[in-house]
Amino acid sequence: ETGVTQTPRHLVMGMTNKKSLKCEQHLGHNAMYWYKQSAKKPLELMFVYNFKEQTENNSVPSRFSPECPNSSHLFLHLHTLQPEDSALYLCASSQGTVADYRTDTQYFGPGTRLTVL
Amino acid sequence: GNSVTQMEGPVTLSEEAFLTINCTYTATGYPSLFWYVQYPGEGLQLLLKATKADDKGSNKGFEATYRKETTSFHLEKGSVQVSDSAVYFCALSVGDKLIFGTGTRLQVFP
Repeated sequence: ETGVTQTPRHLVMGMTNKKSLKCEQHLGHNAMYWYKQSAKKPLELMFVYNFKEQTENNSVPSRFSPECPNSSHLFLHLHTLQPEDSALYLCASSQGTVADYRTDTQYFGPGTRLTVL
Repeated sequence: GNSVTQMEGPVTLSEEAFLTINCTYTATGYPSLFWYVQYPGEGLQLLLKATKADDKGSNKGFEATYRKETTSFHLEKGSVQVSDSAVYFCALSVGDKLIFGTGTRLQVFP
């Protein structure tokens, strides 16, 4: 596999369920990101990891819990979500802080379409 | 603060028409500017980028020039195809953050 992959591609869950989204990058990058894409709203950055360390938590509710066990894998653990959390969740990766930020480019996965009932 | 403003869509064109999607930005510091494209059912793909004033990014017939004096990064293509139908996002980066516009949907009809 090449690039950034995400599983599952679609997920339907109840408000009391616990599920996890997975992201894997095959680009040798050091930074990984979670974004939320809701209809008619700009992409919202949720979390940033550089070299497995979380460097950004953009005021995300605690029902979203990220995990980055190594530079190639990123998880988003979900529990007791609300219907308004239904969205497309996108993962991205980039070279990270070792690179000049002017040239550092983020590469995105296909996303997980999440529906909370 | 840092922000990106894109023209509202959808933009509807006939095949081979000229395309312009406007993007203006507000930024502290010296941002890099990007256009990403999202085809139906897919994630975002980098289309082109420019890292300093007067740079021109280009790819697949699309072009955009980083205009510092007008704080703009308008996307253009001389002759669109049906396969260009997608949502286009303008974005800027300052540091390790990408800030996106709301996206502009392009619909191209035969």
